[in-house]
Amino acid sequence: KNQVEQSPQSLIILEGKNCTLQCNYTVSPFSNLRWYKQDTGRGPVSLTIMTFSENTKSNGRYTATLDADTKQSSLHITASQLSDSASYICVVSVAGNQFYFGTGTSLTVIP
Amino acid sequence: DTGVSQDPRHKITKRGQNVTFRCDPISEHNRLYWYRQTLGQGPEFLTYFQNEAQLEKSRLLSDRFSAERPKGSFSTLEIQRTEQGDSAMYLCASSPPTSGGTNEQFFGPGTRLTVL
Repeated sequence: KNQVEQSPQSLIILEGKNCTLQCNYTVSPFSNLRWYKQDTGRGPVSLTIMTFSENTKSNGRYTATLDADTKQSSLHITASQLSDSASYICVVSVAGNQFYFGTGTSLTVIP
Repeated sequence: DTGVSQDPRHKITKRGQNVTFRCDPISEHNRLYWYRQTLGQGPEFLTYFQNEAQLEKSRLLSDRFSAERPKGSFSTLEIQRTEQGDSAMYLCASSPPTSGGTNEQFFGPGTRLTVL
């Protein structure tokens, strides 16, 4: 069964600290994996997209990793800011137009 | 282009009423998707259009739900005889013609539906 699981479900960190969010998937055949940031009451916004051959991709303070062998991805946030408080969603797609969404990790950054 | 837009942003209705939402995708994006998202969950796929053709529908899309994209540009999602369980955020996303296999989706801000 194609599934995307994210952990932790929620996370609270102090401003300035780093954190890492996890995504494990069983989706096959794999096409690409995206991390989205979703602010409360808004639509998701893409942070990174990774294909099978990519291991690491950075977007500012966000760094995503992908291990296609173990079917795991992580999103590392460096020097967190209050504006990083949001839900982070991992989405895995197969060839064509099938998208599998994780339930997200809710991140709260406190001063 | 200002991205994917959705209208209205919020809708409160009484149970049993019909509601219609609109999505305007990014220009020249030929693919359009509708999702439903409840609190604390990821988006759930509802339906997908390529140009004006509705190519895929989820089993979540009951007979009370209908979506159209008559001219291959904007799309509407109608819910008939709304139920309290329909309360959710309805998200629209669009994608350009496939290029390089990345198949990226651009999401709108969503329409928050509350059924009383």
